[in-house]
Amino acid sequence: DGGITQSPKYLFRKEGQNVTLSCEQNLNHDAMYWYRQDPGQGLRLIYYSQIVNDFQKGDIAEGYSVSREKKESFPLTVTSAQKNPTAFYLCASSIPPGPYNEQFFGPGTRLTVL
Amino acid sequence: QKEVEQDPGPLSVPEGAIVSLNCTYSNSAFQYFMWYRQYSRKGPELLMYTYSSGNKEDGRFTAQVDKSSKYISLFIRDSQPSDSATYLCAMRSPGTYKYIFGTGTRLKVLA
Repeated sequence: DGGITQSPKYLFRKEGQNVTLSCEQNLNHDAMYWYRQDPGQGLRLIYYSQIVNDFQKGDIAEGYSVSREKKESFPLTVTSAQKNPTAFYLCASSIPPGPYNEQFFGPGTRLTVL
Repeated sequence: QKEVEQDPGPLSVPEGAIVSLNCTYSNSAFQYFMWYRQYSRKGPELLMYTYSSGNKEDGRFTAQVDKSSKYISLFIRDSQPSDSATYLCAMRSPGTYKYIFGTGTRLKVLA
């Protein structure tokens, strides 16, 4: 089955700790994305990557970091510099821009800072 | 002003009703329009994808794009309690990787 997996489903972090959220896809998509979802605010783009070893900041990149060493994987690190990290994090992937360029999502990771 | 505006709801309808969900946008460069359904605590699921203007139908769902009015709609016929979810619109300009999302409309279909 092709798809996007995210782990863990739930993550708890103490203040001051860095945590890494995993995202893996087997859709052979070049582009991958990380979004943050808060109640009433929709999806906000954190980072995206068009191709391996390349990534760009989205609208709310401060306090986050990413890497793209493999096509299938795009992990997100939430650093201690992120002031309000409690949120639902969604990973997505797509083929490069074109007429039929749908974006598909993983099941999400809910991060709670204690 | 946000690039994409969407009424957050909640919208409550009786089972069997026709539901109309809408988004307006300000960027005339948007060419690709999507509707996602998101159940509570799950990832969004792509429902409909439309390129440029016109209608697209898939089962009980119809997506409509009116580029002259910068307005897109999703119609759900014969709504079911299982349609209760948040519906997100999203759109993109040609040649860009960035998708712009609405805030989502919460729909409740009452049995």
